[in-house]
Amino acid sequence: EPEVTQTPSHQVTQMGQEVILRCVPISNHLYFYWYRQILGQKVEFLVSFYNNEISEKSEIFDDQFSVERPDGSNFTLKIRSTKLEDSAMYFCASSGSLFFLGGNTEAFFGQGTRLTVV
Amino acid sequence: SQQGEEDPQALSIQEGENATMNCSYKTSINNLQWYRQNSGRGLVHLILIRSNEREKHSGRLRVTLDTSKKSSSLLITASRAADTASYFCATDQTASKLTFGTGTRLQVTL
Repeated sequence: EPEVTQTPSHQVTQMGQEVILRCVPISNHLYFYWYRQILGQKVEFLVSFYNNEISEKSEIFDDQFSVERPDGSNFTLKIRSTKLEDSAMYFCASSGSLFFLGGNTEAFFGQGTRLTVV
Repeated sequence: SQQGEEDPQALSIQEGENATMNCSYKTSINNLQWYRQNSGRGLVHLILIRSNEREKHSGRLRVTLDTSKKSSSLLITASRAADTASYFCATDQTASKLTFGTGTRLQVTL
């Protein structure tokens, strides 16, 4: 069964360092997302991406964050200068269609990358 | 209340019993999705119900949707210890954004 894969599963980084979280979405999906979940809290939307540009982003997704689809398979989230409060589980997701359309609108999530900023 | 709030926050049942979790939301939606999350793990998609559907089944799962009350329920029948997890509803607040609820922590004991 196709699945979204994320690497690494765990990342420890020092405050101020740049990190890149990687994701391989399901191959025939066109819409890609990043979410995060701070320990014990809700899953929060960060950004959605389609056709090589950001479709929507949340207030959390400030200038420290960027996303890229560098090739036909990978989808990355970069945090330029990590802060302690960036420590969280980051989830990548993909869907075949936008949620307001019919068809393949289920969003499938990866196993997540646990980011710890020290 | 926030978009996508589940209740109860925690539910403890014995194996073999049914578990019912509820989700309420505030804005109109096109789809509502339920997910499961084992502790510290990823989100597993369980079922999607569209706004023009009232009930949907998948194996031991039954989901209902009442758009007039802006609520949904997830029923797991004949629960198993392996069903122990957190369960979240997620609504499409916009065309490209899912908003997750606060989740219900389900504990199924032997």
